[in-house]
Amino acid sequence: KQEVTQIPAALSVPEGENLVLNCSFTDSAIYNLQWFRQDPGKGLTSLLLIQSSQREQTSGRLNASLDKSSGRSTLYIAASQPGDSATYLCAVRPMDSSYKLIFGSGTRLLVRP
Amino acid sequence: SQTIHQWPATLVQPVGSPLSLECTVEGTSNPNLYWYRQAAGRGLQLLFYSVGIGQISSEVPQNLSASRPQDRQFILSSKKLLLSDSGFYLCAWRGLAGETQYFGPGTRLLVL
Repeated sequence: KQEVTQIPAALSVPEGENLVLNCSFTDSAIYNLQWFRQDPGKGLTSLLLIQSSQREQTSGRLNASLDKSSGRSTLYIAASQPGDSATYLCAVRPMDSSYKLIFGSGTRLLVRP
Repeated sequence: SQTIHQWPATLVQPVGSPLSLECTVEGTSNPNLYWYRQAAGRGLQLLFYSVGIGQISSEVPQNLSASRPQDRQFILSSKKLLLSDSGFYLCAWRGLAGETQYFGPGTRLLVL
């Protein structure tokens, strides 16, 4: 059974720091992995999607990497800003049930001015 | 462009009362539709998904049910709410050839 874990559960950093959020999954048989952002009391917004054949994806100050064989992904945020404060969730699309996404419990990020 | 709506935004209901949450999608046809629940500080748990009108699959046994009376309408219901039904309910859609799911704004349900 696929399980997705995110560490740390919460993170507080001063503005301007570069930071890394971690995601691990137990079954490497996945189609893709996504990183989402969730603001308090809101829905999810997709940030980056990495196909299983890819190693990384970049969008602005965000860079996500995928090491499928070791079951790990990282989300790198460069030069963090207070507006980056949110919960970041990773999710995998498993090959044996491709209709669904399996989510981690998220990392709650606070960027202090 | 596609948009997804959920209502109500917030709901406070007594234990034992019925529930109906609605989700509608605009700007797309024959989407896959999903209902998730998010407990405080937890990830999203898939409750139901639907690949077409009247086609509902349940992921977990529970006090809830879902229906899809129209192509772009997905309804989450309960006959009698439990305290454990409290949470943040999110609806999402995915196109047939799409890779990602697009989420609605969510409904916060508090059962007292």
